[in-house]
Amino acid sequence: NAGVTQTPKFQVLKTGQSMTLQCAQDMNHNSMYWYRQDPGMGLRLIYYSASEGTTDKGEVPNGYNVSRLNKREFSLRLESAAPSQTSVYFCASRQSGVETQYFGPGTRLLVL
Amino acid sequence: QKEVEQDPGPLSVPEGAIVSLNCTYSNSAFQYFMWYRQYSRKGPELLMYTYSSGNKEDGRFTAQVDKSSKYISLFIRDSQPSDSATYLCAMSGLGTSYDKVIFGPGTSLSVIP
Repeated sequence: NAGVTQTPKFQVLKTGQSMTLQCAQDMNHNSMYWYRQDPGMGLRLIYYSASEGTTDKGEVPNGYNVSRLNKREFSLRLESAAPSQTSVYFCASRQSGVETQYFGPGTRLLVL
Repeated sequence: QKEVEQDPGPLSVPEGAIVSLNCTYSNSAFQYFMWYRQYSRKGPELLMYTYSSGNKEDGRFTAQVDKSSKYISLFIRDSQPSDSATYLCAMSGLGTSYDKVIFGPGTSLSVIP
């Protein structure tokens, strides 16, 4: 049981490049989330998916898109990366009716 | 005013000390209160979970919620070097469509042997 996995662990992009961050969970959870974590800002929600086939914006969705490919996988795409998107990105999942979220190990993204 | 405020520290204590970590919040509608621990370069992991007011104890950890004061605390007894991490408070239960969770910015704790 791997829990929540994320790839890649670390990525460097140039301004304007695109990339997709991958997330998968093997706990059969319905809800999945993408957060970014910046110093002094805490975790801020980018997008979430309450169930397979549905996605919705969180607090800071600008510059990002998501896909809930199936129940297990939830990807985050940066179409045209900007230096302001330099951050640590965490994927999380949660079972319906339970408050606890389970987090992946994170992806460190540096945009030059 | 931020929804959740937390002293970022860093907090440095000697091994064996009692540690008190605190958060204040502004929205009285929060019902669920959580503490996550995050080791360096790792994802947050749930440490304690409390519903509404009161205390909850788990080993060396005690979580307290005072809804009247909008104040939550995490106490660590007999602190160990392995407790060195960032501690994030989190709150939810607003009844929004996605069960919105608000995280504090975290307090960095170092326990010195």
